[in-house]
Amino acid sequence: RKEVEQDPGPFNVPEGATVAFNCTYSNSASQSFFWYRQDCRKEPKLLMSVYSSGNEDGRFTAQLNRASQYISLLIRDSKLSDSATYLCVANILTGGGNKLTFGTGTQLKVEL
Amino acid sequence: DVKVTQSSRYLVKRTGEKVFLECVQDMDHENMFWYRQDPGLGLRLIYFSYDVKMKEKGDIPEGYSVSREKKERFSLILESASTNQTSMYLCASSSFDAGYKDTQYFGPGTRLTVL
Repeated sequence: RKEVEQDPGPFNVPEGATVAFNCTYSNSASQSFFWYRQDCRKEPKLLMSVYSSGNEDGRFTAQLNRASQYISLLIRDSKLSDSATYLCVANILTGGGNKLTFGTGTQLKVEL
Repeated sequence: DVKVTQSSRYLVKRTGEKVFLECVQDMDHENMFWYRQDPGLGLRLIYFSYDVKMKEKGDIPEGYSVSREKKERFSLILESASTNQTSMYLCASSSFDAGYKDTQYFGPGTRLTVL
């Protein structure tokens, strides 16, 4: 079983729609979580951090459920520019520091 | 703004060649990382370093080595490139002070093709 699992998609949604991605993690020692956005052939860029129950930034809301070990990302009023791959990331504290484990990503395509 | 740069965007090498991938960050970050990204497998950690001259193996270190002689520079070395090392290589850095809020900043990536 992968440490961080995501539905690869693609999610094809019309502009203006609300879309939600789920991500599950297997290591209960994970301390914090991130959502990164990655455009085609570009590097991942941080979208949101999640340390406690959730975080909201404009149209984006991230929720964390530690009991069920899943994180979600909600995007409201989708824009064409939201089309990208969204990476779910778990942060685990190890003896040498923090280690990030990445999911394989969920692809979103927002259409007219 | 954090800036992480990588020496090449695209690289084509032949099997058996020694390959150097360079990464430089300008934010005085203590932590630096090398990943490779392959379709369906996501980002996988090759090596990381929490200080100068220090290195730790990640999840897939076989066939790779690293060097960190200066704080801002972290090099990934393929001693003898093989075709299964064809991949996108991403360097990242983060601040030790961030603790568990360890946001990593990525370079633009190097797409390496080994023929």
